[in-house]
Amino acid sequence: GAVVSQHPSWVICKSGTSVKIECRSLDFQATTMFWYRQFPKQSLMLMATSNEGSKATYEQGVEKDKFLINHASLTLSTLTVTSAHPEDSSFYICSAREASGGANEQFFGPGTRLTVL
Amino acid sequence: GQNIDQPTEMTATEGAIVQINCTYQTSGFNGLFWYQQHAGEAPTFLSYNVLDGLEEKGRFSSFLSRSKGYSYLLLKELQMKDSASYLCAVQDSNYQLIWGAGTKLIIKP
Repeated sequence: GAVVSQHPSWVICKSGTSVKIECRSLDFQATTMFWYRQFPKQSLMLMATSNEGSKATYEQGVEKDKFLINHASLTLSTLTVTSAHPEDSSFYICSAREASGGANEQFFGPGTRLTVL
Repeated sequence: GQNIDQPTEMTATEGAIVQINCTYQTSGFNGLFWYQQHAGEAPTFLSYNVLDGLEEKGRFSSFLSRSKGYSYLLLKELQMKDSASYLCAVQDSNYQLIWGAGTKLIIKP
């Protein structure tokens, strides 16, 4: 099956710093990638939808200037959490959808656990 | 608005059968997914239904009724490793996934 990787798996940073998370589709081309955030014991919350070569579409309540998304190629999207604060501590998960349709299934990365001190 | 409903938590016994229900109201429908998520891990794909009926895949089966806005995930011969959260998600007219809050399944020996 299709594989999506994320890097890093976990990161601890100081308040005020920026953190970049990479999402890669390893064996397929993804025209669309999605970024989710999940707080403990809660469901996935879609943050933004990223299409290759265009600006990301952010969900209501998600600050685009704080969560910078770049989808420069069909296999890579990045999420940068700028000026991170403790309330940004969460589990960030990306998913990617194949360019060639089918079930339009989203393949998920393993997630990145961010802890902001 | 768009809404996905599923029970918050269910408990079942090892070796038994459990059915997790999901009802939905969305703007358009382009398929329903079930995902399994163990604590601290990302979701993993279980099933996809876009037509009415039952899809069977090993110990897991998923059913869909589009007219009723209803689906269920059936897990047979439960094993302890099946303890996880099960997420129902519907793909709307824009092919965006609308997620349910998840059902935490607890398996007891």
